[in-house]
This record gives sequence, structure tokens and C-alpha cells, in this order.
Amino acid sequence: DGGITQSPKYLFRKEGQNVTLSCEQNLNHDAMYWYRQDPGQGLRLIYYSQIVNDFQKGDIAEGYSVSREKKESFPLTVTSAQKNPTAFYLCASRRSTGTVYHEQYFGPGTRLTVT
Amino acid sequence: AQSVTQLDSQVPVFEEAPVELRCNYSSSVSVYLFWYVQYPNQGLQLLLKYLSGSTLVKGINGFEAEFNKSQTSFHLRKPSVHISDTAEYFCAVSLFSGGSNYKLTFGKGTLLTVNP
Repeated sequence: DGGITQSPKYLFRKEGQNVTLSCEQNLNHDAMYWYRQDPGQGLRLIYYSQIVNDFQKGDIAEGYSVSREKKESFPLTVTSAQKNPTAFYLCASRRSTGTVYHEQYFGPGTRLTVT
Repeated sequence: AQSVTQLDSQVPVFEEAPVELRCNYSSSVSVYLFWYVQYPNQGLQLLLKYLSGSTLVKGINGFEAEFNKSQTSFHLRKPSVHISDTAEYFCAVSLFSGGSNYKLTFGKGTLLTVNP
């Protein structure tokens, strides 16, 4: 089955530690995205990548970093500089070739709790 | 810049009643419009989308939405809801932002609770 995998589903960390969230897709999509979801706030874009070895900041990139070394993988690191890291993190991907617009598909999410 | 407003943060209804979840957007250019559903502690699933053509769009699970350009609205409707429709619903708009990238902007969500 094709899809997006995020691991782990729940993650607990102590304040001051960096943590990396995994996102893998086997849909052969070119573009990948990271969103942060907080209660009552909708989804906010952290970073996105349209091709391998290239990525851009979204609306709330401060305190986060990403890499895109392979087409199928787009890990997100939450650094100690992120002031309020506890949230639900969603990864998405989208086919971006051709002239037809293709929607984003979402992974199951990782709930990060930092204490 | 585009923005999305979901007018109701919570909508309680009884089973088998009709429901409408409201969404308005602001944009000076043409956009693509979406409704996603999220069940507790899960990712988002696409319900339906409007890209072009007929303004009445039908989606999965019996949902439909109507695009109204003059009112910049994209309200979601279902004629008869089930307990299993209890979830959070997000309206989103996608605007072309250069190259092959489209930026997706989400509303804050509407929690639909279906009571027996």
C-alpha cells in the first residue's frame, strides 16, 4: 500500500533536547511538507521541499530544521530553540509534476510532548 | 495573502439531522478549495476539492460543498449525519506561489459532534 509513514506516533522529550521526527512516503511524490497543529489553531506550515536537496521555510520555521537527502524522506528536527515544541506534527506530500493540480496527502502524525 | 475563516468552532447536531459547516476565504486571485476531515489523533483525509468546473462538488461519505465566488464561500453540507461523522473538519485554500509550489492555508477547524 502506498502512503506516508510518521514515526513514532507519540514522543516524549525533556526540555533542552533536540528531537527528530521521521516522515517517509512511497507515493513517489516530489513535494513534502511539515505542519504543526495546536488545539483551535488549525495547521501551520513549518517547512516544505519541492525537490531533493532543496527546502524552504514556511510560516513558523524558527526553532526547526529539515533535510531532504532522498525523495521519499523528509525528517524534521525540533531544536531546543523552539520555545513551545509540544504539539501534533503532521507530514504531507504532493505530486507536483505536470499541469494538473494535485492535492496534499497527510501522514498519521506524531504527538510530541516536551516537559 | 489569502486567509480562511471557519465561522463555527463547534457544531453539535443530532443523528440524521442535516448539517452545514461554513467556510469563507479571502484572496485576490483564483484559488483551489478543499475540505479535510480529521478523526482524533489521526492525520487529515481529503473529503472533497474544487479545482474548476461545476460549483457543486461531491465528496466521500455523502458530503458535498458549493463554491460561491461572489460570496467567497465554500460551505460543506451533508443531508443526514451519522455518529461516525463526529470529527474535526478543516477548510483549506491553495494559492499558486511560484514555480510548481502551491501554498495551502487552513482554517482553524470546526468540531462536528453528532449526538444520538
